[in-house]
Order: sequence, then structure tokens, then C-alpha cells
Amino acid sequence: RKEVEQDPGPFNVPEGATVAFNCTYSNSASQSFFWYRQDCRKEPKLLMSVYSSGNEDGRFTAQLNRASQYISLLIRDSKLSDSATYLCVVNNQAGTALIFGKGTTLSVSS
Amino acid sequence: GAGVSQSPRYKVAKRGQDVALRCDPISGHVSLFWYQQALGQGPEFLTYFQNEAQLDKSGLPSDRFFAERPEGSVSTLKIQRTQQEDSAVYLCASSQGQRNTEAFFGQGTRLTVV
Repeated sequence: RKEVEQDPGPFNVPEGATVAFNCTYSNSASQSFFWYRQDCRKEPKLLMSVYSSGNEDGRFTAQLNRASQYISLLIRDSKLSDSATYLCVVNNQAGTALIFGKGTTLSVSS
Repeated sequence: GAGVSQSPRYKVAKRGQDVALRCDPISGHVSLFWYQQALGQGPEFLTYFQNEAQLDKSGLPSDRFFAERPEGSVSTLKIQRTQQEDSAVYLCASSQGQRNTEAFFGQGTRLTVV
């Protein structure tokens, strides 16, 4: 089983839609969780950290369920500029690496 | 420089050739990571440095891969006797803290082995 699993998509949504991505992780000892965004042929960039109590940054909401080892990202009022690949990231047990999922591709159309 | 810098941006190597990929992290960043990203995949962890110490090399796919960071700043990833399956983008990232802090990525080196 992969350490971090995501639905690869693609998710094709119209502008203004709400879309949710899910991610599961296998290492119950993981302590740090993130969502990164990667545009085509670009490097990954941090979108937001994920905290136990859940957190929101504008149109983006991240949630963590430690019991189910599950992370989610909700994007409200999708914009064309949200089109990208969203990577779920979890640290390894030793804290020496960030482990990435394969990514979920989002395409927002007008 | 403001960000992580990698060179070269593109490298074409003949099968069997040795290559060296360079990473200049953000000044003062303690942690440095190397990742390999194949087309359509997420970045796969290769190795981790804390200053000059290589604390985790569990992701290196074979003994043809070697990384160093002798002075705790610039790092080099070396691949010996390159094979076609080594073709990928090699990403370097650095972070300020020892763990659990935001990692900043360079633009990567796209390696093509022919």
C-alpha cells in the first residue's frame, strides 16, 4: 500500500463550483500534513498546512481526521486559476521526509 | 538569490554516462531534500540532509545514486552509469527547520537518458 493515496482525477468542474479532494495516509505516526499545488512543468508550492482542528484560507478549507488517517481539501467558488495538480503531503515517521501522493488534477473551465 | 536554485535545468545524457545535478538551497536553510518526479507521478523522496549530515537515504533507488552536501549548503546529486529509467525531473527542496516546516522547491533538473 502506498504511504499516501489520492484519487488522481481529473476533476473537471465549471467556474464557481465547489470541489473536494481526499487523501489517505498509512503511517499513523505522521505528525505533519500539507497540501501542495503543482502547475504543469513547475515545481510544487505549499498551498496550506493541515491542522488537527481543521483550517481555512480564503476559499480553501483543509481537514484532518487522525482516527481514519484521512485528509481533505475543499475549494469553494472555483476559479480558472485553480487548475493545477494538488498534492497531499505527509511527513514520515522519522520526520526526515515529506511523502507525496501522486496528486489530483483539477481542471476548471469557463 | 531568493529561492532554491538548481542546475542545469535540462540535461540529456547517453546511457551509461555519469551526471551531476546541483542544488543551491535558500541561505540558512538547515534541511535539504532530493526528490525524483516521473511524468504523471508525485515527487518520490530520495534523500534528506540536515546541514551536512545525510540522515536519510532510504529513497535512493540504487547504489548508482549518490548525494552529498559537504559544507551544509550546496548539494550535488550524482547518478552513475545512467539508465533510461533514470529519466525524470529531479527536484531539490530546502526548509528552514529540522522538520515539519514548509519546504521550498527549486524548478528542478529534467534529465533525459537516451
